[in-house]
Amino acid sequence: GAVVSQHPSRVICKSGTSVKIECRSLDFQATTMFWYRQFPKKSLMLMATSNEGSKATYEQGVEKDKFLINHASLTLSTLTVTSAHPEDSSFYICSARVKGLAGGVEQFFGPGTRLTVL
Amino acid sequence: GNSVTQMEGPVTLSEEAFLTINCTYTATGYPSLFWYVQYPGEGLQLLLKATKADDKGSNKGFEATYRKETTSFHLEKGSVQVSDSAVYFCALSPYNTDKLIFGTGTRLQVFP
Repeated sequence: GAVVSQHPSRVICKSGTSVKIECRSLDFQATTMFWYRQFPKKSLMLMATSNEGSKATYEQGVEKDKFLINHASLTLSTLTVTSAHPEDSSFYICSARVKGLAGGVEQFFGPGTRLTVL
Repeated sequence: GNSVTQMEGPVTLSEEAFLTINCTYTATGYPSLFWYVQYPGEGLQLLLKATKADDKGSNKGFEATYRKETTSFHLEKGSVQVSDSAVYFCALSPYNTDKLIFGTGTRLQVFP
């Protein structure tokens, strides 16, 4: 149980285009989903926290107009990288927190999406 | 602020060797501490956790003890297997938050 999927697993796009990444919890409901970015040989950096039905909370230094997050249902959150540029190339990872897990902070992670902007 | 520092890899071991991956943290208050493992092509999976000082988390032969006095949470295993080859991430969650703050990850390679 507690499987999280991401789609696509890999995407290559031209500079200036927008890319949407989907994160789904397959067998549970997630009230909260998280989006991370991972640079080579660097740790995962939290970009934003996404709660179903409300606006995402962005970490300091993350441009909310560039990284649009939508959490439309309890099983789906999307990250859209708008007007992508080569510096946006990275590995994007989502995670989901199980609904109803009182007091717990365990997150279940997707396998990640490799974005390359040419 | 909150941060996690873990040893750089890769760590290369022969099968049945003893493993230690060091992790130290900086945090305000009383964080929860975690080790996550990422196998090739898969998402991060929770390996073990500890929520208060002196707690020992353990799973699949791995263990780590929450040491407040040294602000450490070192991962150990007495006898590694080839199947343990993966990237291991130490992480903390500040008190009363959902957030996770990760270290840079340590790649473990185990050879037969």
